[in-house]
Amino acid sequence: EPEVTQTPSHQVTQMGQEVILRCVPISNHLYFYWYRQILGQKVEFLVSFYNNEISEKSEIFDDQFSVERPDGSNFTLKIRSTKLEDSAMYFCASSEGLAGGYEQYFGPGTRLTVT
Amino acid sequence: RKEVEQDPGPFNVPEGATVAFNCTYSNSASQSFFWYRQDCRKEPKLLMSVYSSGNEDGRFTAQLNRASQYISLLIRDSKLSDSATYLCVVNIESDYKLSFGAGTTVTVRA
Repeated sequence: EPEVTQTPSHQVTQMGQEVILRCVPISNHLYFYWYRQILGQKVEFLVSFYNNEISEKSEIFDDQFSVERPDGSNFTLKIRSTKLEDSAMYFCASSEGLAGGYEQYFGPGTRLTVT
Repeated sequence: RKEVEQDPGPFNVPEGATVAFNCTYSNSASQSFFWYRQDCRKEPKLLMSVYSSGNEDGRFTAQLNRASQYISLLIRDSKLSDSATYLCVVNIESDYKLSFGAGTTVTVRA
């Protein structure tokens, strides 16, 4: 069964450093998403991406965040200057169509620890 | 008011028992409803979509009450493997994002 993959599984970085989280969505999917989950809290939407542009973003997704699809397979989330409160599990997801009608498949996540 | 609210539990039940819990949502424009399952430190996985008429998938039954804006999940004949956090998820039509509840923890004991 096709699956979303994410690398690395765990990233430790120092405050103020830049990190890039990588995702390979399912190959025939057109919609891509990033969510995060702070330990003990709910899953929160960050951003969605369709047709090579951001289609929606939450208030969490401020100027320190950016997303890119640098080639035909990868989808990346960059955090420019990490803060302690960015420590969380970051999930990438993809779907064939819009959220309501199509299942979003989640990757296994990248655990980001900012020290 | 939170978009999606769930009783956090935990619900501790013996194997074979029936357990049920609800979720309420605040946005009446919500069109699509789901139950996801999340195991500890793992990704959310779709358990089932929830349809207006209610639907069943094996031991799992989901109901939707649009008038009262709540969704329910019932698990019959609980198995040890049903131990997980169950996430109530809603979507507004034409919206890209899924809105998650904080989850209801279910622990099934032998």
